[in-house]
Amino acid sequence: GAGVSQSPSNKVTEKGKDVELRCDPISGHTALYWYRQSLGQGLEFLIYFQGNSAPDKSGLPSDRFSAERTGGSVSTLTIQRTQQEDSAVYLCASSTTGGLVGYTFGSGTRLTVV
Amino acid sequence: AQTVTQSQPEMSVQEAETVTLSCTYDTSESDYYLFWYKQPPSRQMILVIRQEAYKQQNATENRFSVNFQKAAKSFSLKISDSQLGDAAMYFCASSSGTYKYIFGTGTRLKVLA
Repeated sequence: GAGVSQSPSNKVTEKGKDVELRCDPISGHTALYWYRQSLGQGLEFLIYFQGNSAPDKSGLPSDRFSAERTGGSVSTLTIQRTQQEDSAVYLCASSTTGGLVGYTFGSGTRLTVV
Repeated sequence: AQTVTQSQPEMSVQEAETVTLSCTYDTSESDYYLFWYKQPPSRQMILVIRQEAYKQQNATENRFSVNFQKAAKSFSLKISDSQLGDAAMYFCASSSGTYKYIFGTGTRLKVLA
């Protein structure tokens, strides 16, 4: 696609439910990243994909968080048994190979856990 | 640990005037990149400017320029002839390795008409 597309744009969920956040990167971008932006904070790295592999998952906060990428394209971030502290904006970005030329970000998913 | 610090939570500038946003960073890497991103209310982060640390010349993109002081680990963003559309959150970031970025906490820029 022309840009990085994320869905849903906003998600309100009850504590304890599972949620799936989707990211569709720019066509041809082999690298994909997930970051989390909490209120008043900078962006926090979650996970990096190169193709379908995730060589760096070091930022995932707990085992309730998982992500996958299929076909070298769409990625899904899944949060199980959501907690209130999971409320944040989840931003996806993509780039060609490594990210040092700069990422292209999507508009994020605002997750609110009530 | 690598850190990026933006000490100005909020700044204001009059339309058509110039404003400078501050950023300091700490890295042990010898080769790295620095970035300024703009985040308008739409939430999409937009790359404003990028600086390669091995280049001494300061990067410039139209009305946006940086003052890169490598020894001081300082990377400030200057916006000239400020426009209403420049109002946004601005994030400074440093590369960490070949793919990860470390972001500061952002500066909210208000542009006054």
